Amino acid sequence: KAGVTQTPRYLIKTRGQQVTLSCSPISGHRSVSWYQQTPGQGLQFLFEYFSETQRNKGNFPGRFSGRQFSNSRSEMNVSTLELGDSALYLCASSLSSGPLSGNTIYFGEGSWLTVV
Amino acid sequence: AQSVTQLGSHVSVSEGALVLLRCNYSSSVPPYLFWYVQYPNQGLQLLLKYTTGATLVKGINGFEAEFKKSETSFHLTKPSAHMSDAAEYFCAVHNFNKFYFGSGTKLNVKP
Repeated sequence: KAGVTQTPRYLIKTRGQQVTLSCSPISGHRSVSWYQQTPGQGLQFLFEYFSETQRNKGNFPGRFSGRQFSNSRSEMNVSTLELGDSALYLCASSLSSGPLSGNTIYFGEGSWLTVV
Repeated sequence: AQSVTQLGSHVSVSEGALVLLRCNYSSSVPPYLFWYVQYPNQGLQLLLKYTTGATLVKGINGFEAEFKKSETSFHLTKPSAHMSDAAEYFCAVHNFNKFYFGSGTKLNVKP
């Protein structure tokens, strides 16, 4: 069974540009969440999508957005890139999403974004 | 509000020694607790999880963790460290559709 696949793995962008990252969840998983990981801030929750609807959102500016398609694949977009956006962006998928569900999330290997 | 505290950002043990990584949480409702491991340049891999039932949970690679409600702790242990255990370990709480991660503990294993 294929795991969570993220593309691209590595990319370098210039300040002010925008970037789109892609995530394909494990087959059958309908929930996709995104995290930003930096040495200073650790793992921070960006947002979660379930059945093409955003279910939860973390405390990030509106420059960070995402979407989910009918096949559960998800993309996140960061516009007007800043140096501080340099980070590892992790996507995770789970079977479902619900209160107190305790669903296990499975992570992809991440997309390393460097903003110069 | 939920929070996860991992005591010690860096832990160093000798190969063959006991590994103990500490995790305390705060949660307004009974939590679901997880430990993940991250090897360099990789994503996070699930080690083990506690949802309900037995409070001692066994995971992969010989790791286990015990949920202690009275202490609000979920410490990760392994009786004998191996060089391949060197990685960063994250404790996490899952509540209300969100995961809350600790800041991570980097485990160094000395030969």
